[in-house]
Amino acid sequence: SQQGEEDPQALSIQEGENATMNCSYKTSINNLQWYRQNSGRGLVHLILIRSNEREKHSGRLRVTLDTSKKSSSLLITASRAADTASYFCATAQTGANNLFFGTGTRLTVIP
Amino acid sequence: DAGVIQSPRHEVTEMGQEVTLRCKPISGHDYLFWYRQTMMRGLELLIYFNNNVPIDDSGMPEDRFSAKMPNASFSTLKIQPSEPRDSAVYFCASSFGLAGVEQFFGPGTRLTVL
Repeated sequence: SQQGEEDPQALSIQEGENATMNCSYKTSINNLQWYRQNSGRGLVHLILIRSNEREKHSGRLRVTLDTSKKSSSLLITASRAADTASYFCATAQTGANNLFFGTGTRLTVIP
Repeated sequence: DAGVIQSPRHEVTEMGQEVTLRCKPISGHDYLFWYRQTMMRGLELLIYFNNNVPIDDSGMPEDRFSAKMPNASFSTLKIQPSEPRDSAVYFCASSFGLAGVEQFFGPGTRLTVL
């Protein structure tokens, strides 16, 4: 499969804690993106990290990319109940013209 | 901009009926994607267009599925005849410039085939 795989599949934390999700992929990429999907809604783009970048921040989000290990992590700091959603990584693979989405991590933040 | 618009939001039909899903991409976007999401298979790319031309339809599951993009502001995904296993949420997404950049998703159409 060309899809990425997220780990863990599900994560439950208390409000205020940090949440870390991981994504592994198999091929060479141009960039890796993270998306959020609230229940019953479409996916929303969160952040994009290019293959020559190692870390990127956006508000409470921190993304790392290790191309040697073909892996990425998404850290959400000081989580809120509103962060409850599914999170997907998507890779823009070298030579391909579309994104390949992972299987997702279901995050539950308990108030 | 209103974002990507999909209609209908929900569709319930009986096996064997024709189903047509509609999508209006964000104005100015030149890539349009159709995805299907199920619990079992996750998010699957069905087909995508660039400048109204189908580029890759290898994800279309069967000949029962067809997609068209007659102009830059409208696309349809048709299933004929529909089967219960087609029940899923179908998303349309669009992007600008390159397919590997940020995609903007519509709210989806939840299809139930009885």
